[in-house]
Amino acid sequence: DAGITQSPRHKVTETGTPVTLRCHQTENHRYMYWYRQDPGHGLRLIHYSYGVKDTDKGEVSDGYSVSRSKTEDFLLTLESATSSQTSVYFCAISDLQGIGSNQPQHFGDGTRLSIL
Amino acid sequence: TQLLEQSPQFLSIQEGENLTVYCNSSSVFSSLQWYRQEPGEGPVLLVTVVTGGEVKKLKRLTFQFGDARKDSSLHITAAQPGDTGLYLCAGVGYGQNFVFGPGTRLSVLP
Repeated sequence: DAGITQSPRHKVTETGTPVTLRCHQTENHRYMYWYRQDPGHGLRLIHYSYGVKDTDKGEVSDGYSVSRSKTEDFLLTLESATSSQTSVYFCAISDLQGIGSNQPQHFGDGTRLSIL
Repeated sequence: TQLLEQSPQFLSIQEGENLTVYCNSSSVFSSLQWYRQEPGEGPVLLVTVVTGGEVKKLKRLTFQFGDARKDSSLHITAAQPGDTGLYLCAGVGYGQNFVFGPGTRLSVLP
């Protein structure tokens, strides 16, 4: 299994509070991704990174920001959490060119975030 | 925006039965991947199909990529309880990100 650790695994917080989720990899893969998974929608890309300090928006980026200061860490921040951001969040990594290529993505085990 | 549809949404069968699940789109993809996800875990890649019309077999699982590269199917022969899970297809667009379908939730009863 690819070495991907997401933290925390579960979090409950209140509307309006800031939340940061962490993804840590030990594979030295260049590409890292944040997805959210909701019933009926599958996995939707929030943001991705193609290198240290290099990030770009995905399909559902509004209300989220990311940072990647080291190859191994990719942080997802909800500046002011809303109830619509209640979801399961997955981090993924891929080697070589993940975007538009056949390279598989390796996923972490997810963070279940509830915003009350 | 490229979209992927999967059918059926839910499927419950008895051990030993055969089944087919489908992944369809109006868009063309450079390749298509199938993942299986178990509760509390992230998706795990099963296969990647690249060529239109391609068929790949993984033990009791047979994957096919449509000739037009817009659709794919997954056939499971003699399903076992260990096959239970959420099956996701993901299309890889030309120069674009992965697009995931909503998944088919399979339950194989002993």
